[in-house]
Amino acid sequence: LAKTTQPISMDSYEGQEVNITCSHNNIATNDYITWYQQFPSQGPRFIIQGYKTKVTNEVASLFIPADRKSSTLSLPRVSLSDTAVYYCLVGRYNTDKLIFGTGTRLQVFP
Amino acid sequence: GAVVSQHPSWVICKSGTSVKIECRSLDFQATTMFWYRQFPKQSLMLMATSNEGSKATYEQGVEKDKFLINHASLTLSTLTVTSAHPEDSSFYICSARDTRERSGELFFGEGSRLTVL
Repeated sequence: LAKTTQPISMDSYEGQEVNITCSHNNIATNDYITWYQQFPSQGPRFIIQGYKTKVTNEVASLFIPADRKSSTLSLPRVSLSDTAVYYCLVGRYNTDKLIFGTGTRLQVFP
Repeated sequence: GAVVSQHPSWVICKSGTSVKIECRSLDFQATTMFWYRQFPKQSLMLMATSNEGSKATYEQGVEKDKFLINHASLTLSTLTVTSAHPEDSSFYICSARDTRERSGELFFGEGSRLTVL
C-alpha cells in the first residue's frame, strides 16, 4: 500500500482558498486517491476521490498531475466549519483496506 | 450515502472488565468491515479487518485475544475489548464499504469512546 506524506498542519482565514498537497511517490497503477475529513470525536467523512487529472464536486476539487505521485485537495473559500483534519489515502477502490497517514490539521481563523 | 452506526458512542468501564462495541451497516450489506483505533491528536490506526462468516485479519502488533472481533451477519460486526486496562482507553471507529457504490468509499461510524478507569 502506497505511503502518503502531507503537511502536519495549515492555517487559513475565512474566505480563502486552501490547497493541501499530498505526496504518494509509490502509488500503483490501480490505486485511486481519496481524501477524507475528520472533525474531533467523529468518524472520517469522504470528501473526494480521483484517479488522474482533475475532479470537482460540490465541496472540493482534486488535482492530480500526470505522474500521479502527488495530489492537491483544493477547498474554495473556507469557513470556520472547515477546521478539521484532512487525510489523503491511496489504494485500489472497493478492495483494499485503507491505511491512514498523519493527516493535515487545518485551522481556519475568522 | 450509506450509513454505518456504532453503539455505544461512549462507555466507561472498570479495569479488568470486558466491553463490546457494535458496528452496523444500516442500509447496505457489508461482507467486510474495518476497525480502527485513534488516540488523542493522532491518526487512525487500522486494527483489523472483519470478515463476515470467517475469522478477522489482525494488523501486526494487535492482540487478537484481547480485541475479539465477530462478524456474524452481513450488517453487524462487534469488537470486544477483553480485560480492559487504562491504556486501552481510546476512540474506536469502524468502517465499511457499500460495494454498490462505484467509488468504493469507506463509510465510517460515529466512533465509540472507551474510557477504562
